[in-house]
Amino acid sequence: EVQLVESGGGLVQPGRSLKLSCAASGFTFSNYGMAWVCQAPTKGLEWVASISTGGGNTYYRDSVKGRFTISRDNAKNTLYLQMDSLRSEDTATYYCARHGYYSVMDAWGQGASVTVSS
Amino acid sequence: DIQMTQSPASLSASLGETVTIECRASEDIYNGLAWYQQKPGKSPQLLIYNANSLHTGVPSRFSGSGSGTQYSLKINSLQSEDVASYFCQQYYDYPYTFGAGTKLELK
Repeated sequence: EVQLVESGGGLVQPGRSLKLSCAASGFTFSNYGMAWVCQAPTKGLEWVASISTGGGNTYYRDSVKGRFTISRDNAKNTLYLQMDSLRSEDTATYYCARHGYYSVMDAWGQGASVTVSS
Repeated sequence: DIQMTQSPASLSASLGETVTIECRASEDIYNGLAWYQQKPGKSPQLLIYNANSLHTGVPSRFSGSGSGTQYSLKINSLQSEDVASYFCQQYYDYPYTFGAGTKLELK
């Protein structure tokens, strides 16, 4: 069974940093691109970033470029999102997702809640 | 960026009814379109990819159609477990973008 389990969320002050992790199991992690998608409270979904199988290619939405870094450790079957210079508008639930066939996001974690507030 | 305009924002329907949700892209996305279902308090689940391909395990009452800039999701014979929010998403080009969502409730 494919499982994605996020961790590392919490309450953080504006301007500080937070690092999310996503532990993958039930599939060959190194064979799949991965992504982070966020959802602000009572709002819709927003793609945040994606990373290729080997980590050599990364893609970001404009609002997080230069502040967030997506990375992966294929030996540990883990995806990361380093979030720096956090803003109140980054407050959201962050989902880890697998890019399946045709790059569609075919498996999702349960989400990690991030609240940016003083 | 490709804008995804989804309608309606909310929908109320009866059990057994057929419902349709529409999604319009701001440019041709060449069938790079997925539909997701999200139940309250849960993570999104893939329903349809490539505009009209049913994801593994998804009931056949769900179907997708469309091309170019216009796409739709149809749910035949609505069941109580279909109460959820539905989102379209284009993956033709980065940045990937989602529709604002449709909240489906029972009448």
